[in-house]
Amino acid sequence: DTGVSQNPRHKITKRGQNVTFRCDPISEHNRLYWYRQTLGQGPEFLTYFQNEAQLEKSRLLSDRFSAERPKGSFSTLEIQRTEQGDSAMYLCASSLIASRYEQYFGPGTRLTVT
Amino acid sequence: QKEVEQNSGPLSVPEGAIASLNCTYSDRGSQSFFWYRQYSGKSPELIMSIYSNGDKEDGRFTAQLNKASQYVSLLIRDSQPSDSATYLCAVNVGGRRALTFGSGTRLQVQP
Repeated sequence: DTGVSQNPRHKITKRGQNVTFRCDPISEHNRLYWYRQTLGQGPEFLTYFQNEAQLEKSRLLSDRFSAERPKGSFSTLEIQRTEQGDSAMYLCASSLIASRYEQYFGPGTRLTVT
Repeated sequence: QKEVEQNSGPLSVPEGAIASLNCTYSDRGSQSFFWYRQYSGKSPELIMSIYSNGDKEDGRFTAQLNKASQYVSLLIRDSQPSDSATYLCAVNVGGRRALTFGSGTRLQVQP
């Protein structure tokens, strides 16, 4: 069990550029979540997959954000036309259906939009 | 009213003391409750989960749940300087799969 991995760990981009982050969940975990965390706040839910199906999206997830989980394995989160307000830590978590919502987080991707 | 509330702290305790961290939640239908520890610049780490009223102990950690009062707490016995971190309370509000987090309580353990 290698844990949840995320790439890249850090990303600096200019306003208006597109960025894509990748998350590899713990093997055999069928649920995958994306959260965003800003300084001094707890993580905020963005979206959630069960296998390859995207089952829930937060109102926080504007139309500039899109997420995929092809074949129910890794997931990508893309932000188009980045804005300075998108600067945050983007966290991925995974869980098993049978685990009563216990979620395990990856190391996160820190995004800075200049 | 926020769905999950925590005192932001900092909570300062001397080494060896008991640290008591508290969390309240607004939705009576919530069933699953978690405590995460987050060191500065790192991601949250799951340390305790609790699902039924009462106490659950794991090493130096004890989680306490009172659904009638909509209150969950974390006790850390024999606090160590390495326990200094932000502790996040998380709840599956409304039975949703996603977790709703409080803003965290910063704990400082003084050597």
